Amino acid sequence: EVQLVESGGGLVLPGGSLRLSCAGSEFTLSNYWMTWVRQAPGKGLEWVANIKQDGSEKYYVDSVKGRFTISRDNAKNSLYLQMNSLRAEDTAVYYCANLGMANIGIDYYHYGMDVWGQGTTVTVS
Amino acid sequence: EIVLTQSPGTLSLSPGERATLSCRASQSVSNRYLTWYQQTPGQAPRLLIFGASSRATGIPDRFSGSGSGTDFTLTISRLEPEDFAVYYCQLYGSSPSLPITFGQGTRLEIK
Repeated sequence: EVQLVESGGGLVLPGGSLRLSCAGSEFTLSNYWMTWVRQAPGKGLEWVANIKQDGSEKYYVDSVKGRFTISRDNAKNSLYLQMNSLRAEDTAVYYCANLGMANIGIDYYHYGMDVWGQGTTVTVS
Repeated sequence: EIVLTQSPGTLSLSPGERATLSCRASQSVSNRYLTWYQQTPGQAPRLLIFGASSRATGIPDRFSGSGSGTDFTLTISRLEPEDFAVYYCQLYGSSPSLPITFGQGTRLEIK
């Protein structure tokens, strides 16, 4: 079964750090742009960051720029999110997913985030 | 930044009824970039529709998407018990360097 499995969440003090991991099973991460999406308790979905297949391009939502770093290790079929200077407002379930965008020449084909992990909970308190 | 506004916030219907969910963008967008997801409690979102009207793999044909410009609709033709969930629309940028936006969600509940 194709799946992504997140780990690394937990309870952390404000100002602390945490590193989330996302491992692919029957899913080869190196073929895809990948993304992190989070969901605060009782709230909607919020995009966090994207990373290109080879890790050469990374993009972030403004609220985490300078604090979070997305990375990947294709040899380990894994995606990461290093979170520093954590704030209470970063409290959320964090999901990794296939971004759902594929290069077609200079353009992109958008096909939706079709593979998601089960989520890992980060509590900053 | 483009804002997506979903309505209604909550929709109360009975199994077998038709559901119509709205997603309005604050400015005109390409159909290519509009996506719909379903989320049940404690679960990750599930892709339903991409490109405004294309069903994802394995999605029943009672789910359909339509719209253009600023107004998009997700329709569920005959509600099944498992369809009662929260639905989100999502807008891509033209490239991965641009922000991704989600609507605030519509909760579809059993009447």
